[in-house]
Amino acid sequence: GNSVTQMEGPVTLSEEAFLTINCTYTATGYPSLFWYVQYPGEGLQLLLKATKADDKGSNKGFEATYRKETTSFHLEKGSVQVSDSAVYFCALSDLSDNYGQNFVFGPGTRLSVLP
Amino acid sequence: DVKVTQSSRYLVKRTGEKVFLECVQDMDHENMFWYRQDPGLGLRLIYFSYDVKMKEKGDIPEGYSVSREKKERFSLILESASTNQTSMYLCASSLSGLAGVGKYFGPGTRLTVT
Repeated sequence: GNSVTQMEGPVTLSEEAFLTINCTYTATGYPSLFWYVQYPGEGLQLLLKATKADDKGSNKGFEATYRKETTSFHLEKGSVQVSDSAVYFCALSDLSDNYGQNFVFGPGTRLSVLP
Repeated sequence: DVKVTQSSRYLVKRTGEKVFLECVQDMDHENMFWYRQDPGLGLRLIYFSYDVKMKEKGDIPEGYSVSREKKERFSLILESASTNQTSMYLCASSLSGLAGVGKYFGPGTRLTVT
């Protein structure tokens, strides 16, 4: 079945540091890939997505590129802020997922940004 | 913007009580979902619905039921709450047939059963 693996957290960075959160996936088809962010006490928000190989999703300074050859979708940001402190989830969905019932989430990576 | 709202942010109930969690979405999405989120266990799908009055079990349906009488509203019911149902409950919605669209989540309800 499909699966998503994320780097272990927590990740602690100083403000303005470069961020990378690794995500790799296993899928039988050609999945769409997503990053979600969860701020403390909140639900998940869709941060960015990519639907085919070499697509780059971007939002709020975050970027991730769909790499089919390495089955990866790493999240990056050039300069993090304290307000980026949250838990980040990588996720995938494929075309067999008619209703979204097989949406697969990674375990989440907690990011703490210190001033 | 898609809006998914949940009836309560925080809820405290006693063991054995019947608990209703309500979710409403305003974007005419066909699919709606209930997840629970627990530390170390991630997000687990309880139930989903792909149309009015249609429901399907997810990975952990035991102890829960759902109701979808209107397209925009999806309710999660704990028939007899137990302490192991203390958790964060997240509702989500999505369009059908478009794997690339993604899901939209509500703010969550943190339920404590004492």
